[in-house]
Amino acid sequence: GAGVSQSPSNKVTEKGKDVELRCDPISGHTALYWYRQRLGQGLEFLIYFQGNSAPDKSGLPSDRFSAERTGESVSTLTIQRTQQEDSAVYLCASSLAPPLSYEQYFGPGTRLTVT
Amino acid sequence: RKEVEQDPGPFNVPEGATVAFNCTYSNSASQSFFWYRQDCRKEPKLLMSVYSSGNEDGRFTAQLNRASQYISLLIRDSKLSDSATYLCVVTLGGKLIFGQGTELSVKP
Repeated sequence: GAGVSQSPSNKVTEKGKDVELRCDPISGHTALYWYRQRLGQGLEFLIYFQGNSAPDKSGLPSDRFSAERTGESVSTLTIQRTQQEDSAVYLCASSLAPPLSYEQYFGPGTRLTVT
Repeated sequence: RKEVEQDPGPFNVPEGATVAFNCTYSNSASQSFFWYRQDCRKEPKLLMSVYSSGNEDGRFTAQLNRASQYISLLIRDSKLSDSATYLCVVTLGGKLIFGQGTELSVKP
């Protein structure tokens, strides 16, 4: 079946502009996660959605970052007034509801470059 | 202190070698444990779960020591295709916490 999809695959933007990244999770997966991975670094947790519960936003690095999810489907991650340090690959993952399953399936990521 | 710590490597080994990766985690409330694999410029993919009793999947063996908060991955008879970054992952509060990863390069 279809995996997690993300769009765009690559985004180049000028410093100060807003960007919106999209994630389509696997159908039936109630949990959705966003991560950031800078070049040569590990995955940095950003935000976690689980069903209709309030999202866990504890990983968002600043108030320039926000994310929304419509029901148990598409999610968008918005970065306002982008900075050069926002350049990274933004990965989305989905899973069945923890603790039923913690196995996360990742999308291919969006590579964001802020010039 | 990082929540999940790994030796970043790189580990450079010849084909056929046995290689071991170690990982420690700081929060004793961590519930589940995994090894993920990430190929260069690709997304992470689950390699295997890790259980206290130890588990094996072909050439791969994972071990968990809850008392020491320590996780290991052993790869036997390494192949060129094993070259990747191996990520130690623990769960906490419904979230996965990733280590920085250990890079493995298997040479002919």
